Amino acid sequence: QSDLTQPASVSGSPGQSITISCTGTSSDVGTYNLVSWYQHHPGKAPKLMIYEVSQRPSGVSNRFSGSKSGNTASLTVSGLQAEDEADYYCCSFAGSRFWVFGGGTKLTVL
Amino acid sequence: QVQLQESGPGLLKPSQTLSLTCTVSGGSISSGGYYWSWIRQHPGKGLEWIGYIYHSGSTYYSPSLRSQVTISLDTSKNQFSLKVTSVTAADTAVYYCARVSGNAFFNWGQGTQVTVSS
Repeated sequence: QSDLTQPASVSGSPGQSITISCTGTSSDVGTYNLVSWYQHHPGKAPKLMIYEVSQRPSGVSNRFSGSKSGNTASLTVSGLQAEDEADYYCCSFAGSRFWVFGGGTKLTVL
Repeated sequence: QVQLQESGPGLLKPSQTLSLTCTVSGGSISSGGYYWSWIRQHPGKGLEWIGYIYHSGSTYYSPSLRSQVTISLDTSKNQFSLKVTSVTAADTAVYYCARVSGNAFFNWGQGTQVTVSS
């Protein structure tokens, strides 16, 4: 059981938009604006896509965006492309527990 | 661009000590502003933060793993390491090393599979 709850899978057709939710508690997501999102293609190094809720690192497509409301953070991928198919993980600072992650969401591009 | 690469034994027996090394290239682990972290992923599960070390040598560990793990730096080799004592099957996982900057895990290694089995 992961500390942050994500849907096991989401899917969308090329060109569409999808949103992945990440639900925590008032001890992590709800208190700290330190939510990040990672893209992971199996066998490769995970890649940071969003940090501090909505900031994009240099080189990450602006098709990726992040937001937060209460205890739930969200990652939106717009204009879906085949290369976006991967596992996505959210992460939040959690005070004395330091860092907690979600269980991961498998994004399928139909 | 900094790159990280994990290395270590792939198979251990219960009660042994796991030792993993992360070799960093393209940047110095002695430079300030970064934490050097270990994360693991159990089979079919999400990610679990293990701990990290600052360039000064200060360490921070997950409360659930604190009694079992040690992270250290070897600045002469530009490496940092993880030791997990008294391993059990529950320590079977893919282990990743990562560089933490600005409150996010900016750079990751590809991971190394560790299996604990008698």
